[in-house]
Amino acid sequence: NAGVTQTPKFRVLKTGQSMTLLCAQDMNHEYMYWYRQDPGMGLRLIHYSVGEGTTAKGEVPDGYNVSRLKKQNFLLGLESAAPSQTSVYFCASMLGGMLDYEQYFGPGTRLTVT
Amino acid sequence: EDQVTQSPEALRLQEGESSSLNCSYTVSGLRGLFWYRQDPGKGPEFLFTLYSAGEEKEKERLKATLTKKESFLHITAPKPEDSATYLCAVQGYAGKSTFGDGTTLTVKP
Repeated sequence: NAGVTQTPKFRVLKTGQSMTLLCAQDMNHEYMYWYRQDPGMGLRLIHYSVGEGTTAKGEVPDGYNVSRLKKQNFLLGLESAAPSQTSVYFCASMLGGMLDYEQYFGPGTRLTVT
Repeated sequence: EDQVTQSPEALRLQEGESSSLNCSYTVSGLRGLFWYRQDPGKGPEFLFTLYSAGEEKEKERLKATLTKKESFLHITAPKPEDSATYLCAVQGYAGKSTFGDGTTLTVKP
């Protein structure tokens, strides 16, 4: 049981390049989330999904797109990277249901855009 | 809009010196309030979930409490290994969580 995994762990992009971050969970969780964390700050929600095939915008969605084609995977895409997207990206999943709202986090992806 | 404010931003304690961290929140329809611990370079690790005012939970030297407007994380006789950033979050009925900026705790031996 690997929990939540993220690929890649580190990435350097040039302005204007595109990339996709992959999040995978093996706990059969319904909910999945993408956050970004900037130095000295908490987590800000980018997009989330309440089930396979669904996505919704979070607090800071601009410049990002997501897809949840399979229940276990949640993809975060940057179509045209900007220096302001330099951050650490965390994926999380949650079972949901009655009184089960604990989120499990992946180890993070450190992205630098030059 | 849901909001979470944590204080203080940073807290330095001597080993054995007890203290509390504060989390003030506003949320439309509280499903749960969460406390996480985050070590440098790692993802947040779940500590507690509190669901209703008056609820308390304990784990080793940590105790979390909840009122209708705030939550406290009490640390009793801390040790250096308790040094970390502690994050508070609330989840409303929309299924998304809002996090505070965290309190960075340093415990000196």
